[in-house]
Amino acid sequence: AQSVTQLGSHVSVSEGALVLLRCNYSSSVPPYLFWYVQYPNQGLQLLLKYTSAATLVKGINGFEAEFKKSETSFHLTKPSAHMSDAAEYFCAVRPALREKLTFGTGTRLTIIP
Amino acid sequence: DGGITQSPKYLFRKEGQNVTLSCEQNLNHDAMYWYRQDPGQGLRLIYYSQIVNDFQKGDIAEGYSVSREKKESFPLTVTSAQKNPTAFYLCASSARDRAYEQYFGPGTRLTVT
Repeated sequence: AQSVTQLGSHVSVSEGALVLLRCNYSSSVPPYLFWYVQYPNQGLQLLLKYTSAATLVKGINGFEAEFKKSETSFHLTKPSAHMSDAAEYFCAVRPALREKLTFGTGTRLTIIP
Repeated sequence: DGGITQSPKYLFRKEGQNVTLSCEQNLNHDAMYWYRQDPGQGLRLIYYSQIVNDFQKGDIAEGYSVSREKKESFPLTVTSAQKNPTAFYLCASSARDRAYEQYFGPGTRLTVT
């Protein structure tokens, strides 16, 4: 069975600093991996996805993530945090050829002015 | 504009009453999903449907029911059997393409007292 672990339920960074949100997965078959962002009282918006092409994936709003099979990780990064990045971020995994996504418990990102 | 509509945004009910949450999509997606979101628990899958007139239970289906009579619509009924129905409910849909990325609606916040 697949699962996703997001290390750190809350992360705070200063405006302009590096953002690093961690995600580790377990999957018995090659997975598809996703990062979603959720602003308060809204639905989830796809930031980026890994679908077995390039291991470094670029997404919207300056975010990117790197798939590392040896570490079973898919960490999300952004070089310089902006106040508008404050939100909750979810990592999700879906084994290839399956319909269901499994979500992590989320990381709330706070940006310090 | 294509997207997913959930109505209403906020819903209040008395304990013991059934309530139906609406989800409509005009993305021409085959698959639709219902998730429940509680603080600190991420998203949990309630039901999903891959085609019209067919649906499967997710991880927490007890106390919920769905129907899929039309491709565009996937209503969720929260029955009086659901022990703790107060939560944020999210509907999603996906095309049957390679990545199966899911697109989310804005959510319905249900409060039962």
